[in-house]
Amino acid sequence: EVQLVETGGGLVQPGRSLKLSCVASGFTFNNYWMSWTRQAPGKGLEWVASITNSGGSTYYPDSVKGRFTISRDNAQNTLYLQMNSLRSEDTATYYCTRGYYGDYWGQGVMVTVSS
Amino acid sequence: DIQMTQSPASLSASLGETVTIECRASEDIYSNLAWYQQKPGNSPQLLIYDANSLADGVPSRFSGSGSGTQYSLKINSLQSEDVASYFCQQYNNYLTFGSGTKLEIK
Repeated sequence: EVQLVETGGGLVQPGRSLKLSCVASGFTFNNYWMSWTRQAPGKGLEWVASITNSGGSTYYPDSVKGRFTISRDNAQNTLYLQMNSLRSEDTATYYCTRGYYGDYWGQGVMVTVSS
Repeated sequence: DIQMTQSPASLSASLGETVTIECRASEDIYSNLAWYQQKPGNSPQLLIYDANSLADGVPSRFSGSGSGTQYSLKINSLQSEDVASYFCQQYNNYLTFGSGTKLEIK
């Protein structure tokens, strides 16, 4: 059974940093691209970052480019999202997803950016 | 950037009815389109990929169609467990989601 379990969320002040983790199981992790997608409270879905299966290439929308970094440790079956210079508009539930478009999603982790 | 325009924003239908949700892309996305269902309090789940391929375990009353810039999701014989929000997503050029459709039972 494919499982994606995100951790690392919480309350953080504007301008500070936070790192999310996603532990994957039930599939061969290094065969898949992985992505992060977020959802602000009561809002729609927004793609945040993607990484190739080797980790050699990463992709971001303009809204987070230069502030967020996606990475992976294939030996540990773990995906990461380093979030720097956080803003109030980054407040959302962050989902780890398998593949480029997301055939499996984690349960999500809440990030609240507030003073 | 590719924009996805999804309609309607909300929809109310009776049990057993057929409903259709539409997504229009701002440019040709060559059928690189997925549909997701998100039930209240849950994560999104993949329904359709490549515009018309049913994801594993998804009931056959769900179907996708379209090409170019116009795509649709059809739900036949609406059931109570179909109450959810539905999102389209293009993956032809990075990833963009539609704004969502909230489906309720009349």
